[in-house]
Amino acid sequence: KQEVTQIPAALSVPEGENLVLNCSFTDSAIYNLQWFRQDPGKGLTSLLLIQSSQREQTSGRLNASLDKSSGRSTLYIAASQPGDSATYLCAVHPYSGGYQKVTFGTGTKLQVIP
Amino acid sequence: DGGITQSPKYLFRKEGQNVTLSCEQNLNHDAMYWYRQDPGQGLRLIYYSQIVNDFQKGDIAEGYSVSREKKESFPLTVTSAQKNPTAFYLCASRTSGGSDTQYFGPGTRLTVL
Repeated sequence: KQEVTQIPAALSVPEGENLVLNCSFTDSAIYNLQWFRQDPGKGLTSLLLIQSSQREQTSGRLNASLDKSSGRSTLYIAASQPGDSATYLCAVHPYSGGYQKVTFGTGTKLQVIP
Repeated sequence: DGGITQSPKYLFRKEGQNVTLSCEQNLNHDAMYWYRQDPGQGLRLIYYSQIVNDFQKGDIAEGYSVSREKKESFPLTVTSAQKNPTAFYLCASRTSGGSDTQYFGPGTRLTVL
């Protein structure tokens, strides 16, 4: 059974810092990996999706990388801003089975201090 | 605007009551999903539907029921058989084929009194 771990559970950084969020998964047979943002009491918003054949994806100040062999993905946030404060979750879509088999991590709660 | 709506935002239930959470989407997506989110845990799948008039149990379906009579609507009923229903419930949809991105609603927080 796929297990997805996100460490640390919480992170606090001063504004302007570059930071990295981690996502580890136990089964490397994945179809894709997705990063989401969740604001308190709200739904999830998709940030980046990396297909298994890709190494990274970029959107603005965000860069997500994928290393299937080591079972890791990172989300890099450049020049952090207070508006980046949220919980960031990764979700792993296995190679076999439909989207109903997606496994979500527990998230990293990020606080960017002005 | 296209998107997913969930209502109500907050819901309080007395023990022994059934309650129904609404989920509507105007994205013309075929697949819809219900998740439960508890503190310190990842999202867990309750039910999903890939097409109208068809739905399947997810990992934690006991004590829940759904229907899919229209493409746009996927209501979730939390029955009295669900022993610990207090949680944040999220509905999502996804188009079949093409993008694998799920689109999530704003959620419903259910509290049992």
